[in-house]
Amino acid sequence: GQNIDQPTEMTATEGAIVQINCTYQTSGFNGLFWYQQHAGEAPTFLSYNVLDGLEEKGRFSSFLSRSKGYSYLLLKELQMKDSASYLCAVKGFNKFYFGSGTKLNVKP
Amino acid sequence: EAGVVQSPRYKIIEKKQPVAFWCNPISGHNTLYWYRQNLGQGPELLIRYENEEAVDDSQLPKDRFSAERLKGVDSTLKIQPAELGDSAVYLCASSSQLDGKGDEQFFGPGTRLTVL
Repeated sequence: GQNIDQPTEMTATEGAIVQINCTYQTSGFNGLFWYQQHAGEAPTFLSYNVLDGLEEKGRFSSFLSRSKGYSYLLLKELQMKDSASYLCAVKGFNKFYFGSGTKLNVKP
Repeated sequence: EAGVVQSPRYKIIEKKQPVAFWCNPISGHNTLYWYRQNLGQGPELLIRYENEEAVDDSQLPKDRFSAERLKGVDSTLKIQPAELGDSAVYLCASSSQLDGKGDEQFFGPGTRLTVL
């Protein structure tokens, strides 16, 4: 079966760095996506990894290891507006699988 | 450029009533998705269209749910009759395989359905 695991909730301090992990087991692999979703809003795209390694985009970075079925999203210089849920999604054989999301609470 | 448009934004109905949701994807996006998202969960795919063809509807409860995408643009998702367990946010998303990002999906604001 398909399985995507991420922590349910995390708390971090403004200005700090936080790493959100995602492990997956899916039928096929054609890329891993991270989405941000503020409460009551639609998910918005953050990053896409299809090859192993680190992709950096401003304060956000995403890492992928296909052999380990593992990814993480790294958020630097946390801001209060980063409080949201972060969804890990894997594209298998023409099918998308979403994790349940990690709710990140950023405190002053 | 306009994003994915959905209507209505909110809908409250009594159980056993029918309900329909409408989605207009980003212009030029050939792939359209309908998802259901329960509180505290990730989106669950209901159906995916490539142009006007439903290429994956394995998760669509076909006894009560139906969808169509006429002319490969707008889409409608219908529930008849609705049950209490159908209360959720229904998200529409679209993507283009030509954007070089492996099917980055753009989501609409969703329709929050409450079944009483």
